[in-house]
Amino acid sequence: ETGVTQTPRHLVMGMTNKKSLKCEQHLGHNAMYWYKQSAKKPLELMFVYNFKEQTENNSVPSRFSPECPNSSHLFLHLHTLQPEDSALYLCASSQRRSGSYNEQFFGPGTRLTVL
Amino acid sequence: GESVGLHLPTLSVQEGDNSIINCAYSNSASDYFIWYKQESGKGPQFIIDIRSNMDKRQGQRVTVLLNKTVKHLSLQIAATQPGDSAVYFCAENVQGGKLIFGQGTELSVKP
Repeated sequence: ETGVTQTPRHLVMGMTNKKSLKCEQHLGHNAMYWYKQSAKKPLELMFVYNFKEQTENNSVPSRFSPECPNSSHLFLHLHTLQPEDSALYLCASSQRRSGSYNEQFFGPGTRLTVL
Repeated sequence: GESVGLHLPTLSVQEGDNSIINCAYSNSASDYFIWYKQESGKGPQFIIDIRSNMDKRQGQRVTVLLNKTVKHLSLQIAATQPGDSAVYFCAENVQGGKLIFGQGTELSVKP
């Protein structure tokens, strides 16, 4: 176990549904990330939060809405998704310090299928 | 067995042989590199890292080599085992602490 948990592990939703993905890290880290992993493609960074503040939004469509209530929890709210949004959504965390390196620890992911 | 990363995304080796997985990175200013292993149904798992002021680092059965001249990174796995079967990703740390991931290479170990 990496100390990063994600729920649910699998999710099937229709295009009109609203659902949320949850991530929790037990490592005392100050940064959390959402990535999208599609088949045969590199991991795509979606959002970055440092100390609960969003520092990066990698041109992600507004149908994905992140929320970071504290440094241990991260949510990804989903609404009116498209079938092409089906993918593995990975959460990661790291301890970001000035001048240090950014080793990220990943959760197991949520396998999302949009019908 | 040896792969060339993006040009050969699959690598098949015999159990007990050594494996070499290659990665070409893009940013000459990248100062830190990580190799991750991802097994089916799991998230990426940290294997080994290396800073740009080093050219070699060894772990348990794994060695990472860094050639900054040609922006090339490799992961060597000694005495490959069936449990090593997975997709392996390299990642480079660019300025601002952002990790850029490679496409990944799928390693298949034949018993």
